[in-house]
Amino acid sequence: DQQVKQNSPSLSVQEGRISILNCDYTNSMFDYFLWYKKYPAEGPTFLISISSIKDKNEDGRFTVFLNKSAKHLSLHIVPSQPGDSAVYFCAASPGRGATNKLIFGTGTLLAVQP
Amino acid sequence: GAVVSQHPSWVICKSGTSVKIECRSLDFQATTMFWYRQFPKQSLMLMATSNEGSKATYEQGVEKDKFLINHASLTLSTLTVTSAHPEDSSFYICSARRPRSGANVLTFGAGSRLTVL
Repeated sequence: DQQVKQNSPSLSVQEGRISILNCDYTNSMFDYFLWYKKYPAEGPTFLISISSIKDKNEDGRFTVFLNKSAKHLSLHIVPSQPGDSAVYFCAASPGRGATNKLIFGTGTLLAVQP
Repeated sequence: GAVVSQHPSWVICKSGTSVKIECRSLDFQATTMFWYRQFPKQSLMLMATSNEGSKATYEQGVEKDKFLINHASLTLSTLTVTSAHPEDSSFYICSARRPRSGANVLTFGAGSRLTVL
């Protein structure tokens, strides 16, 4: 049972345009969400997060939006750059405690074309 | 910044042998580490939570006798794949929570690619 879903396995965007990566979840107990970026043969690196008490969090070119009623979050990257090409995973957690585990989505491969 | 080191990054072994993968937090102490596994084109699947000084907590479906986890110190957790078989071939990644990083922000190692012949 996939509790965190990324329905688009891949996305191709032109450099300078906006990239929108989507993520849906099913567990209403999730209240903290994160996005990770992963290059081949490397571990994921943290990108941005959002708590369920917010509906938007912005960090430079990256903005995460959360729609709790729809159990949906999205990551916007603008403007997109070729160096953004990677696999993006969304992750969710049922709390902020140190031992709370992260559940990852299946990932979306973003390709930013120069 | 916090760094998690994983070793080896790549290992090939014969079927039936055991392989140990180390995960170290280089500049911080981690009472809890997490081991993930990733199959090609699939998500990161949590295998177990490694707890310093106590038994690991395994996710449903993960054989604890096959995937032995030891977290003997605050900076080292090991995953031993015992009696490895070709179906155990995968990318294994460990992670730890950075101190004062904010909730749930994990720092990941670079991963270990296991190929069982």
